[in-house]
Amino acid sequence: KAGVTQTPRYLIKTRGQQVTLSCSPISGHRSVSWYQQTPGQGLQFLFEYFSETQRNKGNFPGRFSGRQFSNSRSEMNVSTLELGDSALYLCASSYDSGQGTAFFGQGTRLTVV
Amino acid sequence: GENVEQHPSTLSVQEGDSAVIKCTYSDSASNYFPWYKQELGKRPQLIIDIRSNVGEKKDQRIAVTLNKTAKHFSLHITETQPEDSAVYFCAARWAGGAAGNKLTFGGGTRVLVKP
Repeated sequence: KAGVTQTPRYLIKTRGQQVTLSCSPISGHRSVSWYQQTPGQGLQFLFEYFSETQRNKGNFPGRFSGRQFSNSRSEMNVSTLELGDSALYLCASSYDSGQGTAFFGQGTRLTVV
Repeated sequence: GENVEQHPSTLSVQEGDSAVIKCTYSDSASNYFPWYKQELGKRPQLIIDIRSNVGEKKDQRIAVTLNKTAKHFSLHITETQPEDSAVYFCAARWAGGAAGNKLTFGGGTRVLVKP
C-alpha cells in the first residue's frame, strides 16, 4: 500500500504570492489533517478534512484554507504569503475521524523570500 | 484547548542506556496519546501509541505509560542504539465534540545516543 504522498517536496515563493500544496492519503483513508512545522512553534494543527468537509480548524489566519476532493485527496492553499509562512507543511492521513492512527507524508518545504 | 508539554527538550544518553521522555497534557477529555519519531529531513513516524483505557503498552525496546489522574504519559526506550537518535514528539487527541483527528503536539525532545 502506498503511503501518504505530498507534492511538491520543495517550493520557493515570493512574499504576496499564493501557493497550493497537495496531499494524497493512503488508499481507503478518508481523513486528511494538515500541520505546520517550524523550529520555533513546533508542530501546529491547521485543519482536518473528512468526507470533503472541514472537520476542525486550528488557530491560523484565514489566508490558510483547504479542501478535500471526493477521492480524499486534499489541497491546502496559502494566500498573500508572508516570510513567517516559511515552514514544513505536513499532512496526515487517517482511516476515520477521531479514531484512527495518523500517518504523515514527507512534507512540503515552503520557503518564502 | 489542549496543551501538551514535553520534557526534556534535549537528551543525551550512552548507547545501551535507557531514555525517558515525559509529557503532560491539560485536558482530561483527551483519550489517545501517540508518540512520533522524526529523523532529520524525514517525516514523523508513529512508534507507539496508547489509549486512555490502558496504563502501559510495550513494543520491543519501547514502552509508554499513562497516568490519567496526573495527566501525564512517558516514553521509555531501553538498550538505546545510535539509530534511536532523532527528535521524538508526544501528542494528545481530545475526544470531545468535533475534535476529530486534531493532534496537539509537545515541543519535541532531541535524543542523541552516543556510541
